[in-house]
Amino acid sequence: EPEVTQTPSHQVTQMGQEVILRCVPISNHLYFYWYRQILGQKVEFLVSFYNNEISEKSEIFDDQFSVERPDGSNFTLKIRSTKLEDSAMYFCASSVRAGDNEQFFGPGTRLTVL
Amino acid sequence: GENVEQHPSTLSVQEGDSAVIKCTYSDSASNYFPWYKQELGKRPQLIIDIRSNVGEKKDQRIAVTLNKTAKHFSLHITETQPEDSAVYFCAASPNNKLIFGAGTRLAVHP
Repeated sequence: EPEVTQTPSHQVTQMGQEVILRCVPISNHLYFYWYRQILGQKVEFLVSFYNNEISEKSEIFDDQFSVERPDGSNFTLKIRSTKLEDSAMYFCASSVRAGDNEQFFGPGTRLTVL
Repeated sequence: GENVEQHPSTLSVQEGDSAVIKCTYSDSASNYFPWYKQELGKRPQLIIDIRSNVGEKKDQRIAVTLNKTAKHFSLHITETQPEDSAVYFCAASPNNKLIFGAGTRLAVHP
């Protein structure tokens, strides 16, 4: 069964550095998402992406964040200048269509900012 | 924006008992309500979902009910087993995003 994949599984970085988290959505899916989960807390929506554009973003997704689909398979989340509070698990998800449709989650990237 | 409240935060049951987790949402535009199970260090996995045109849905030991008027939905697990132990998240989807509740840590004791 196809799955969303993410790399790396764990990223350690210094405060102020840029990081890029990578995701490969399920191949026939058209909608892509990023969520984050701070340790022990709930999953929080960051951004949704469709047709090479951001559909919606949350208050968390400020100017330090950007997303890109650089080719036909990858979907990336860039954090330009990491802060300590960016430490979290970042999940990529994808769905066939928008709205009332299952979102499939990747295994996550644990980001640790020192 | 949408806000999802989830209760209880922890739930401890004996194997074979039933477990009920309740969520409320605020945005009447929400039309999709999935439930995810998350084991420690793993990705959230969808266990059941319900759409706003349906009041109840069942899949073996798991059922979900939705009351649109009251804006609340519930997860029911019957005949619980130790492998049901995990964190369960409800979510509501007002458009093209999922807004999650805070999660319920379910412990099923043999």
